[in-house]
Amino acid sequence: GENVEQHPSTLSVQEGDSAVIKCTYSDSASNYFPWYKQELGKRPQLIIDIRSNVGEKKDQRIAVTLNKTAKHFSLHITETQPEDSAVYFCAASTGGGNKLTFGTGTQLKVEL
Amino acid sequence: GAVVSQHPSRVICKSGTSVKIECRSLDFQATTMFWYRQFPKQSLMLMATSNEGSKATYEQGVEKDKFLINHASLTLSTLTVTSAHPEDSSFYICSARRLAGVSSYNEQFFGPGTRLTVL
Repeated sequence: GENVEQHPSTLSVQEGDSAVIKCTYSDSASNYFPWYKQELGKRPQLIIDIRSNVGEKKDQRIAVTLNKTAKHFSLHITETQPEDSAVYFCAASTGGGNKLTFGTGTQLKVEL
Repeated sequence: GAVVSQHPSRVICKSGTSVKIECRSLDFQATTMFWYRQFPKQSLMLMATSNEGSKATYEQGVEKDKFLINHASLTLSTLTVTSAHPEDSSFYICSARRLAGVSSYNEQFFGPGTRLTVL
């Protein structure tokens, strides 16, 4: 089955700095890679996703890159703000509506 | 649109009792729903895939007789934790798949989760 690794497990940045979280996956059949933000006790919130037919996608301060050959994808958050503090999960699946395999999560803390 | 609800949001029960959790897609039909479990400070782990009108598909290591799943309608799936024990205490989250139109992609929407505490 699919295995998704995520690094780092914790990340502290100063407000206004950039944050990068990286994930690798094992199943070459995976073609959909969403990123979720989860606040304590809440549901995961989709913040951006990318499909295997593109290499990069950007939405305001958030961007995701995908390297299919190396089987890794990354989340980039620029101009971080305190409200970006949360746990971020990457995931992989063989389609947007199929079961998701999640990474282990990254606790992002944006300090003033 | 695309709202998924769960009930209850929080439940505390005694060891040995059974607990039922409901997952509803409020504004779309979902032939497939997924049940995830999340222990404190850990990731979401898929427990099973719930298919309307057929048996659920369980992930390796998940006891199907302990975690009973029923997907009796296109908008409702239930997860029953039978004979719950303290180690079953966790955050249970469902998601529902909304089928896409011709020119779009299928999407998955998460419920708000149910916090189960077994004493």
